[in-house]
Amino acid sequence: DGGITQSPKYLFRKEGQNVTLSCEQNLNHDAMYWYRQDPGQGLRLIYYSQIVNDFQKGDIAEGYSVSREKKESFPLTVTSAQKNPTAFYLCATSDRENQPQHFGDGTRLSIL
Amino acid sequence: AQSVTQPDIHITVSEGASLELRCNYSYGATPYLFWYVQSPGQGLQLLLKYFSGDTLVQGIKGFEAEFKRSQSSFNLRKPSVHWSDAAEYFCAVGENTGGFKTIFGAGTRLFVKA
Repeated sequence: DGGITQSPKYLFRKEGQNVTLSCEQNLNHDAMYWYRQDPGQGLRLIYYSQIVNDFQKGDIAEGYSVSREKKESFPLTVTSAQKNPTAFYLCATSDRENQPQHFGDGTRLSIL
Repeated sequence: AQSVTQPDIHITVSEGASLELRCNYSYGATPYLFWYVQSPGQGLQLLLKYFSGDTLVQGIKGFEAEFKRSQSSFNLRKPSVHWSDAAEYFCAVGENTGGFKTIFGAGTRLFVKA
């Protein structure tokens, strides 16, 4: 989706290191989401935010942190507490509740 | 809690043959239902959605889906599959009680043989 930019496309993390995944949107959507995708497990919700300066934990928030200081941006930090961070991470947005989500092209995170 | 089940991990169909991907959901009220498609290394793209009204919904790329309340199903169909349809397909259900969360199924990978 051209309206959602995730960067970088590939990211490598060293042991004990925090890394931050970027998600920027120009769709003017209120809600933003972070999902983790592992083979055969579909998408699991990490965090979501309905408005600026507010966010909620999803189903697998442990070892992750987020911020929502601007409507356009919802960065995800994978902390050293996340012991198995290797996965494909997807950012999504929606313009109001229960509307379809729009997805970025993802960031693949691997461990060095 | 709501859930989504896609019974088939993968399906193989011949090019030109018809396709049906199964989806069953568990939800107390009338759900919001979606089908998404994902090509390798890409994000998800919305194929179609059901909110209310006509239970047969048309989507992009020639796909359609039928909501059957009695069977708690929302199966995706296409009359003639093209090689470019090979991808992973996700069924999803959204809350309609003031929440923003969407629950995704585990996905069905479609292989198309010539």
